[in-house]
Amino acid sequence: QKEVEQNSGPLSVPEGAIASLNCTYSDRGSQSFFWYRQYSGKSPELIMSIYSNGDKEDGRFTAQLNKASQYVSLLIRDSQPSDSATYLCAVLNAGNNRKLIWGLGTSLAVNP
Amino acid sequence: EAQVTQNPRYLITVTGKKLTVTCSQNMNHEYMSWYRQDPGLGLRQIYYSMNVEVTDKGDVPEGYKVSRKEKRNFPLILESPSPNQTSLYFCASSSRGVYGYTFGSGTRLTVV
Repeated sequence: QKEVEQNSGPLSVPEGAIASLNCTYSDRGSQSFFWYRQYSGKSPELIMSIYSNGDKEDGRFTAQLNKASQYVSLLIRDSQPSDSATYLCAVLNAGNNRKLIWGLGTSLAVNP
Repeated sequence: EAQVTQNPRYLITVTGKKLTVTCSQNMNHEYMSWYRQDPGLGLRQIYYSMNVEVTDKGDVPEGYKVSRKEKRNFPLILESPSPNQTSLYFCASSSRGVYGYTFGSGTRLTVV
């Protein structure tokens, strides 16, 4: 059973701090990794994708991938109350059906 | 604007009354998928389609049908809805299934 694990939280950080969200996956052959943000009752929104080891930065967001250790993380710098949401990690199955394996998400609360 | 359009946004129906949730995308994406999202269970794939006339079961296909007669449309059909199909449903599409998904706004279905 291919799995993606996330700490459910809630993760609580003060406004302006760095929020660090982590995700581990079981399928060593996975090639593509995604972070989605989901506000309550809304649809998931893609915020970061990463395909190779290392860091990828986009504005206040940095995704980090370590394939040897099978984890991917998301850092949010200068956290804002508007960042309060559930963050979903998704990993693309390496097989032919191109299936995304989803974590259950980490709830983030940024306190003013 | 590139988007995935789902209709209706909200639906309350009675047990056994056939219904269809429509999904349409304007990005010429090959890959489309239906998910349901339930508290504590995360996003679970119902059906997916890798191209026109190519569909396959996801993790929870029982009680659902799909069709892909045109590239842009991927309707979800509940032939005889039951209360355990009460859920938040999302349609999503992707280019060749290897990049991040774009999600529709969701359909909140209640079966009484």
